[in-house]
Amino acid sequence: DADVTQTPRNRITKTGKRIMLECSQTKGHDRMYWYRQDPGLGLQLIYYSFDVKDINKGEISDGYSVSRQAQAKFSLSLESAIPNQTALYFCATSDPRTVYNEQFFGPGTRLTVL
Amino acid sequence: SQQGEEDPQALSIQEGENATMNCSYKTSINNLQWYRQNSGRGLVHLILIRSNEREKHSGRLRVTLDTSKKSSSLLITASRAADTASYFCATEPTGANSKLTFGKGITLSVRP
Repeated sequence: DADVTQTPRNRITKTGKRIMLECSQTKGHDRMYWYRQDPGLGLQLIYYSFDVKDINKGEISDGYSVSRQAQAKFSLSLESAIPNQTALYFCATSDPRTVYNEQFFGPGTRLTVL
Repeated sequence: SQQGEEDPQALSIQEGENATMNCSYKTSINNLQWYRQNSGRGLVHLILIRSNEREKHSGRLRVTLDTSKKSSSLLITASRAADTASYFCATEPTGANSKLTFGKGITLSVRP
């Protein structure tokens, strides 16, 4: 089973709709991240959480909100979706106690806002 | 804003050749990491080099870091068709505490 899972994998929605993307992990990591990827722009950090009580804005948090329901779950919400939020969204986790402080990514959610 | 900038943006080589990808960054860093992304899928960590290291190897991968020039290179030796993917450098700026800044990526195509 995958260590970092994201649901849904694909979603098409309409402008103005509220949508939630969910991320779950079985790695036991405290740190979780949400990124969006647009063609040719690499990854941009939306929000990150270093533990259940710690939520921080990233580079592009406007129009997004998050909820850290448990160590293993980190959800991203678009309160009122707009077309320029069409992108590939990734959740990631990390554990700074490890020798290699790398991030582990989920498979991504492809979101289309019409 | 992108901290890391990869060069070239796209690279096409023949199977068996070596692929060299470069990354430049702007601020002081704790470490620099390289990730691979197969089309439309999640990123996979390849290798990390710390700011006090100059070179690291992992299998067919060799990464170098020059902090005076704020640049890094990733060398993939004896490339295979399966190496076809996008490659991203990511930097952890000093004081960023695990937050990474990703570059825009390099698209590598390895022709069989």
